[in-house]
Amino acid sequence: GAVVSQHPSRVICKSGTSVKIECRSLDFQATTMFWYRQFPKKSLMLMATSNEGSKATYEQGVEKDKFLINHASLTLSTLTVTSAHPEDSSFYICSASPGQVFGTIYFGEGSWLTVV
Amino acid sequence: QQQVKQSPQSLIVQKGGISIINCAYENTAFDYFPWYQQFPGKGPALLIAIRPDVSEKKEGRFTISFNKSAKQFSLHIMDSQPGDSATYFCAATFQGAQKLVFGQGTRLTINP
Repeated sequence: GAVVSQHPSRVICKSGTSVKIECRSLDFQATTMFWYRQFPKKSLMLMATSNEGSKATYEQGVEKDKFLINHASLTLSTLTVTSAHPEDSSFYICSASPGQVFGTIYFGEGSWLTVV
Repeated sequence: QQQVKQSPQSLIVQKGGISIINCAYENTAFDYFPWYQQFPGKGPALLIAIRPDVSEKKEGRFTISFNKSAKQFSLHIMDSQPGDSATYFCAATFQGAQKLVFGQGTRLTINP
């Protein structure tokens, strides 16, 4: 079964509203989680590193104020897309690892966001 | 230097054939190279991974070949089956970093 769970799997929101996506590690604690974005038929693009108890680290070109990340516990990270626009429509995927060196990095099932 | 280049973009193989996907990297600090399989609308799932201290790793029908001097690695799928039709991504990361750099992906189609 899945060891990293994302919710919701699909969400439709109106332009200008905010939407929250959750990423949970089910069988392990993760001090670090990662958020990726994937456009259709494209590769995964790392957006940010979510750090438990501290601020997220964003990749170059990713707007911190638009993509708010909160890592409130060792098993939960959330990505909030604020003031969503149609161009934010995408597949968002999180990853996490139990933390062993060379350990498996697990991905969630992904969340489809459509902004109308 | 952070890039991982993957080829081909798409690949069609007959059932029972061998599928081969290649990746190349520049950064010699990378020390963990996983391959992921992704079905449409799903998150990537780890297939097999290798560290640069070995030249080959085999798990069932999947084999990674690693050439450290050439900074290249490849995935071989033996006896390819229609159920293997998916998008495959190679990736690389630094020790313990968990932050993956992905290749561009290869859409594999296995014809019955």
